[in-house]
Amino acid sequence: GAGVSQTPSNKVTEKGKYVELRCDPISGHTALYWYRQSLGQGPEFLIYFQGTGAADDSGLPNDRFFAVRPEGSVSTLKIQRTERGDSAVYLCASSLSTTDTQYFGPGTRLTVL
Amino acid sequence: SQQGEEDPQALSIQEGENATMNCSYKTSINNLQWYRQNSGRGLVHLILIRSNEREKHSGRLRVTLDTSKKSSSLLITASRAADTASYFCATAAQAGTALIFGKGTTLSVSS
Repeated sequence: GAGVSQTPSNKVTEKGKYVELRCDPISGHTALYWYRQSLGQGPEFLIYFQGTGAADDSGLPNDRFFAVRPEGSVSTLKIQRTERGDSAVYLCASSLSTTDTQYFGPGTRLTVL
Repeated sequence: SQQGEEDPQALSIQEGENATMNCSYKTSINNLQWYRQNSGRGLVHLILIRSNEREKHSGRLRVTLDTSKKSSSLLITASRAADTASYFCATAAQAGTALIFGKGTTLSVSS
């Protein structure tokens, strides 16, 4: 079946601009996670949803970052007033609520010039 | 912040040899997972071991977990060039919660 998909695969923007990154989880997966990965590092947790609500947003670095999942399926990560330090690969994962395995999408590579 | 530390950071072996990677973590866990990543993009789930398990096998993979030492190891037997990738361990404090990843081990398998 279809895996987790993320769009766009690459996004180049200028400092100060607003960006939206989209994640389509595996159908039926109620939990959805956002991570970001800088070069040479492991992924770092940002936020996770159980259904429509954010169960844990403790990883969001500051209030420029926001994520929504209005219908409990697709999620959008929104970054306001982007900074060069936001450049990274943003990864999305989903899992069934009753299992622990998280299945990752291919990521969106964000470059802030 | 990152919970785990993989060791070694980089490993180069010949095809057919075994590769062993270690992971240490700091706080108590519900489960530990190993992932593979090619070319810095999506992660592929390899194996999950729960805190009450000591060893699991999946094909050429063998994972051990020692909760008293807060460490895990991943063994890949009879390695192939296609195993070349970065390998990450990730821990979950509770079932279904966020994963905390280490920095990874870069494995190179040459033919």
